[in-house]
Formats: sequence, structure tokens, C-alpha cells
Amino acid sequence: EVQLVESGGGLVQPGRSLKLSCAASGFTFSDYNMAWVRQAPTKGLEWVASISYGGSNTHYGDSVKGRFTISRDNAKSTLYLQMDSLRSEDTATYYCARKDWEPGWFAYWGQGTLVTVSS
Amino acid sequence: DIQMTQSPASLSASLGETVTIECRASEDIYNGLAWYQQKPGKSPQLLIYNANSLHTGVPSRFSGSGSGTQYSLKINSLQSEDVASYFCQQYYDYPYTFGAGTKLELK
Repeated sequence: EVQLVESGGGLVQPGRSLKLSCAASGFTFSDYNMAWVRQAPTKGLEWVASISYGGSNTHYGDSVKGRFTISRDNAKSTLYLQMDSLRSEDTATYYCARKDWEPGWFAYWGQGTLVTVSS
Repeated sequence: DIQMTQSPASLSASLGETVTIECRASEDIYNGLAWYQQKPGKSPQLLIYNANSLHTGVPSRFSGSGSGTQYSLKINSLQSEDVASYFCQQYYDYPYTFGAGTKLELK
């Protein structure tokens, strides 16, 4: 069974940093491209970033480009999102998702981790 | 960026009814479209990819169609467990973009 478990969310002040993790299991992590998608409270979905299976190719949404960094450790089957210079508008639930094709859809999602940016 | 316009924003239907949700892209996305279902307090779940392919384990009452810039999700014989929000997403080009969502309720 595919499992994606996010962690690392919490309350953080504007301008500070936070690093999210996503532990994958139930599949060969190094075979799949991965992504982060977020959802602000009571709002819709926003794609944040994607990374190729080997980690060499990354893509970012305009709203996070230059502030967020997606990375992965295939030996640990873990996906990361380093978030710097956080803003109030980054407040959202962050989901880790597995992509089943490139370019492609998000076939499996984690349960999400809530990030709240507030002073 | 490709804009995804989804309609209606909300929908009320009766058990057993057939419902249709539409999604229009601002340019041709060549069937690079997925549909997701999100139940309250839960993460999104994939229903349809490549505009009309049913994801593993998804009931056959769900179907997708369309081409070019116009796509739709149809739910036949609505069940109580289908109460949820539905989102379309284009993955033809970066940045990936989602529709604003359709909230489906029971009448």
C-alpha cells in the first residue's frame, strides 16, 4: 500500500524558515517523480513544486520560486520542502504527492501537514 | 500560465441523479487533465487522468470526457459517499494549475 506521511508543520513567524518532510513507503520511491501541493484554509489547491525521481530536475510555482526548495533523499525514501522567508499567504495545509507520469497527475497524496505563518 | 475555469462552484443533487461538472482551460491542454475528489477534512484523491482514464479502484459511475479546452466529469447514479468537493487540474504545462473546485451536496 502506498503511504505518504508528511511532518514538520507548525506555527512560524513571518520571515522565518521551516522544513517539511514526507516519508514514503509501499513503493520504490526512487522510481517516481514527486511534488508538493498546498491548500489554504477553505481554499482551493495550488501546486507548489515538483522534483524528478533522481532529484536533478525541479520546478516551482511562481509564488514560491526563490523562497522554497524541494529536495529528496532516495536512500531514506523521503521528500523535503525547505521554506524560507515565509509569508502569511503561505499559511496552508501542505500535501506530498506522487506523480505517475511526467508531465502528469498526482496519483497518491499524503494526509497533509498544516503550516501557519503568523506573528 | 494556463487558467482553469471550473463550473458550477456548487451543486445540489438527489441520490441516484446524474451530475456533470465542467472545466475549461484557457488554451488547448491536449487531454492533460485530471479530476480529484476531496471529502471534508481529507486529502484529495485521484479519480480520472488523461481526461478519461479511470484511476485504480475508482467506481465506474465516475467518468471523464472532453478535448481541447473543454472537459467534464460525470457522476452517474449519485451516492451519498460522493458528497465532496471536486477539482480539475491541468498538467499539460508548468505551472500546473487547478480549477477553483465544485462543492457537491445532497438535495
